Amino acid sequence: AQSVTQLGSHVSVSEGALVLLRCNYSSSVPPYLFWYVQYPNQGLQLLLKYTTGATLVKGINGFEAEFKKSETSFHLTKPSAHMSDAAEYFCAVINNNDMRFGAGTRLTVKP
Amino acid sequence: AAGVIQSPRHLIKEKRETATLKCYPIPRHDTVYWYQQGPGQDPQFLISFYEKMQSDKGSIPDRFSAQQFSDYHSELNMSSLELGDSALYFCASSSTGSWREQYFGPGTRLTVT
Repeated sequence: AQSVTQLGSHVSVSEGALVLLRCNYSSSVPPYLFWYVQYPNQGLQLLLKYTTGATLVKGINGFEAEFKKSETSFHLTKPSAHMSDAAEYFCAVINNNDMRFGAGTRLTVKP
Repeated sequence: AAGVIQSPRHLIKEKRETATLKCYPIPRHDTVYWYQQGPGQDPQFLISFYEKMQSDKGSIPDRFSAQQFSDYHSELNMSSLELGDSALYFCASSSTGSWREQYFGPGTRLTVT
């Protein structure tokens, strides 16, 4: 069985500040890991993914995430938050033919 | 680039009615996945099709059925609708059954009154 835990259902940062959204997973085998962003009333947009290879993954809009097997984590970061980053973020894991999402983290960016 | 198309984008139905949601995958994609996202919830996998055959089954209620057609578009049929079926329904597509390369559509928001 596999699951995804996103620590913090709401995260608030000031514009220009570091964004850190946490994701931990449990999986019996090496997983494929994803971060998606969802703007209000819109679909899921892929930010980045880890499948194999380099553990530091760079995505769109300046986001990146690092796969840390020893910590079973895949935290999402961005050095400087922008107002347009305000959205819901979902971490997801695929193991075999099963995709599981975390509960989501709502990011608020204050001016 | 062409994306996944879902129709309708919004649908309002009454309890016990039926609804049909459509998904048109990215050209040359042969695999379709359906997800349900309840209000304030994370998306839950319902069912998937690869080359017109059901490939994986998630938490799809017995009242729901789906199929994939020869042109690879898919339809999710929902009967005896309940208030709890109100949700955003996503379709995603990929090629050759690859779960790692899913592209999501914008979703259909179903409201059951």
